[in-house]
Amino acid sequence: DAGVIQSPRHEVTEMGQEVTLRCKPISGHDYLFWYRQTMMRGLELLIYFNNNVPIDDSGMPEDRFSAKMPNASFSTLKIQPSEPRDSAVYFCASSFTVDHGYTFGSGTRLTVV
Amino acid sequence: GQSLEQPSEVTAVEGAIVQINCTYQTSGFYGLSWYQQHDGGAPTFLSYNALDGLEETGRFSSFLSRSDSYGYLLLQELQMKDSASYFCAVKKNSGYALNFGKGTSLLVTP
Repeated sequence: DAGVIQSPRHEVTEMGQEVTLRCKPISGHDYLFWYRQTMMRGLELLIYFNNNVPIDDSGMPEDRFSAKMPNASFSTLKIQPSEPRDSAVYFCASSFTVDHGYTFGSGTRLTVV
Repeated sequence: GQSLEQPSEVTAVEGAIVQINCTYQTSGFYGLSWYQQHDGGAPTFLSYNALDGLEETGRFSSFLSRSDSYGYLLLQELQMKDSASYFCAVKKNSGYALNFGKGTSLLVTP
């Protein structure tokens, strides 16, 4: 398996623009997670899905953030409009069970200028 | 609420043994996980302890004491490539997602 695939690897955008991050989980993994990592706040859970259904979106910062999982092999995280404080590395991870651990994608480094 | 405490930095010499501690406060405990992350890389899963005791996987071992709300990661025969950040994590109070500690930056010196 190719692992969890995220795109793009790097994104630089201007404040106010829409940003879409993409994730392909490992086939057969029922759980998909979006995390954001910054030096100040560490790894923060944004949202997670089970069988394509959003379960916990309490970590989504505000209405500017939205996430979808239209099928078992694809998820998106959208920020509209983007702000400089959204600059971070965004990780997607998938999992079969917690004791098998999460498999993280390589992340998307987002810079909003 | 939940909290996880781990040292921010640890330095050790190549070939030595190092222990990274983690204390946690959470309701409904479901196990303690450990992840490794190299600079610029993604976190990778190391271990999961659901029950008390020591779990060994090669040079790495992980320990859990549920009565003390405490665990540690033990790295033996340290190598330069072990320089990385190490995160402990517990499940959020409800549901399935993990809540990660702030991480311990391990520097292995020659």
